[in-house]
Amino acid sequence: AQKITQTQPGMFVQEKEAVTLDCTYDTSDPSYGLFWYKQPSSGEMIFLIYQGSYDQQNATEGRYSLNFQKARKSANLVISASQLGDSAMYFCAMREGSQNTPLVFGKGTRLSVIA
Amino acid sequence: SAVISQKPSRDICQRGTSLTIQCQVDSQVTMMFWYRQQPGQSLTLIATANQGSEATYESGFVIDKFPISRPNLTFSTLTVSNMSPEDSSIYLCSVGPAGRYGYTFGSGTRLTVV
Repeated sequence: AQKITQTQPGMFVQEKEAVTLDCTYDTSDPSYGLFWYKQPSSGEMIFLIYQGSYDQQNATEGRYSLNFQKARKSANLVISASQLGDSAMYFCAMREGSQNTPLVFGKGTRLSVIA
Repeated sequence: SAVISQKPSRDICQRGTSLTIQCQVDSQVTMMFWYRQQPGQSLTLIATANQGSEATYESGFVIDKFPISRPNLTFSTLTVSNMSPEDSSIYLCSVGPAGRYGYTFGSGTRLTVV
């Protein structure tokens, strides 16, 4: 079974609008972390935001926020005020257990921002 | 968070040859992770490299094809052996998170096998 599911292969958003990228996860470990990464066409992996399983509040980092619904096992990324530079692949990833375990990635969502 | 220098950034190789990819980290780290990203796909974990012990490989990846070296706490290499066109991918190394700052990735090696 997939541990990370991203159901939107591609998304379009108008510049300056907000967009939500969906991510659901599957784990039986009570301790886990959820991450979002941006991968532009250059190929680098850019860390955006982190949510820990015990965090009481949703994470926010500038224009990025994470809508964490633990009971639903979802961790959707919200990008506010989209910019043309936000066009990229976005990956949701999960770490189970300790901080020295590897990330498992979803298939990704390609976001295109339209002027 | 750590900074990783990954080399080479890209290469075009003949089938049947081998390529060694290097990752140098600016701080000591216990675990290093190696990923493959096939064209248009997500990242797939190849192996976890722990200094002083054999790397742990994921299902579908074997040591003979992807030997890994981890001689110290700041350096690791991944070799792609006896390459075929199916090995054309981006290969990335990664180290674990520093608190809430996320896992750091190398800039990737874009490999094309012809």
